Amino acid sequence: EPEVTQTPSHQVTQMGQEVILRCVPISNHLYFYWYRQILGQKVEFLVSFYNNEISEKSEIFDDQFSVERPDGSNFTLKIRSTKLEDSAMYFCASRYLNEQFFGPGTRLTVL
Amino acid sequence: GESVGLHLPTLSVQEGDNSIINCAYSNSASDYFIWYKQESGKGPQFIIDIRSNMDKRQGQRVTVLLNKTVKHLSLQIAATQPGDSAVYFCAVLSGGYNKLIFGAGTRLAVHP
Repeated sequence: EPEVTQTPSHQVTQMGQEVILRCVPISNHLYFYWYRQILGQKVEFLVSFYNNEISEKSEIFDDQFSVERPDGSNFTLKIRSTKLEDSAMYFCASRYLNEQFFGPGTRLTVL
Repeated sequence: GESVGLHLPTLSVQEGDNSIINCAYSNSASDYFIWYKQESGKGPQFIIDIRSNMDKRQGQRVTVLLNKTVKHLSLQIAATQPGDSAVYFCAVLSGGYNKLIFGAGTRLAVHP
């Protein structure tokens, strides 16, 4: 069964450093999303992406964040200058019809 | 803004019992609702969905009930098993590009 994959599973970085989180959505899906989940809290929407551009973003998704689909398979989330409060699980999702399929997540730890 | 909330952060049940997890939502125009299961260290996994033109939908061992009058959603799990232990989130679909608005989650603990 096709699935969304994410790399790395765990990323540790120093405050102020740039990180790139990678996702490979399911191949025939056209809508892509990033969500984050701070430890013990609910899953929060960050951004949606369709037709090679951002279709919607939340207040969390400020100018430190960017997304890109550099080729036909990868979907990346970049945080330019990480802050301590960026520590969270980041989930990528892709959508076919109404169902969003989530990847296993990347745990980002900012020290 | 639109919000989704859950009534109980933790639910403990005996194996074989039925479980009921509740959720409330704020936007009466919400049209599509989903329950997700999240096991430790994994991403949310789709369980069951329901549209606003229905008040009940059944899957394998799971039933979702929707009460639009009071903006309440519930997930019923029949004959709960240890493998059902997880955090359960309700979510509503929002906006033209179908972002998900999640509730806070209920941790279901199943005891033998």
